[in-house]
Amino acid sequence: QKEVEQNSGPLSVPEGAIASLNCTYSDRGSQSFFWYRQYSGKSPELIMSIYSNGDKEDGRFTAQLNKASQYVSLLIRDSQPSDSATYLCAVNMDDVGNDMRFGAGTRLTVKP
Amino acid sequence: GAVVSQHPSRVICKSGTSVKIECRSLDFQATTMFWYRQFPKKSLMLMATSNEGSKATYEQGVEKDKFLINHASLTLSTLTVTSAHPEDSSFYICSATGFASIRTDTQYFGPGTRLTVL
Repeated sequence: QKEVEQNSGPLSVPEGAIASLNCTYSDRGSQSFFWYRQYSGKSPELIMSIYSNGDKEDGRFTAQLNKASQYVSLLIRDSQPSDSATYLCAVNMDDVGNDMRFGAGTRLTVKP
Repeated sequence: GAVVSQHPSRVICKSGTSVKIECRSLDFQATTMFWYRQFPKKSLMLMATSNEGSKATYEQGVEKDKFLINHASLTLSTLTVTSAHPEDSSFYICSATGFASIRTDTQYFGPGTRLTVL
């Protein structure tokens, strides 16, 4: 079983819709969780981090965490073509960021 | 805050030559730096982890004599690809975790260096 699993996609949504990206992880002791966005040919950029069960909202982005189910998701409301990218889920296996495991990424396409 | 730079952004070299890539944390002190490699349409692959003043820890399958990592200060790490061959052509990305004004458990990525070996 992979440590961090994501649906590779591609996920295609129309402009203005909600995009839902999902991630599961294997280490029940993981404490911190991150979503990165990576445009084609560019490096990953941090979108959000989440540490507690529940929802965390930042603008059009909402991260959701359920530690009991070992599940973390990212919702993008009012999706825009500029949101088209690969989204990487990352999970810290320690508490200082030195053992971060990345999912393979989900490719999102937002169609105008 | 939490800006990481890399230099050069793009390099083309001949087979057999060595290439040095610099990674700098510009506005924080990086306790740990990471080097990743990414092939087109593939996942990030961690190559090695380095702490200032210590030897790097390499992932299984990564040749430490081919990919030399030096972490000389809290703001600078370098990756040298020695005797580069066409199969080393890839996108090399560094990241860093730090302390002081930023979260210590978050990796911040540099913009990457695209290496092409002819």
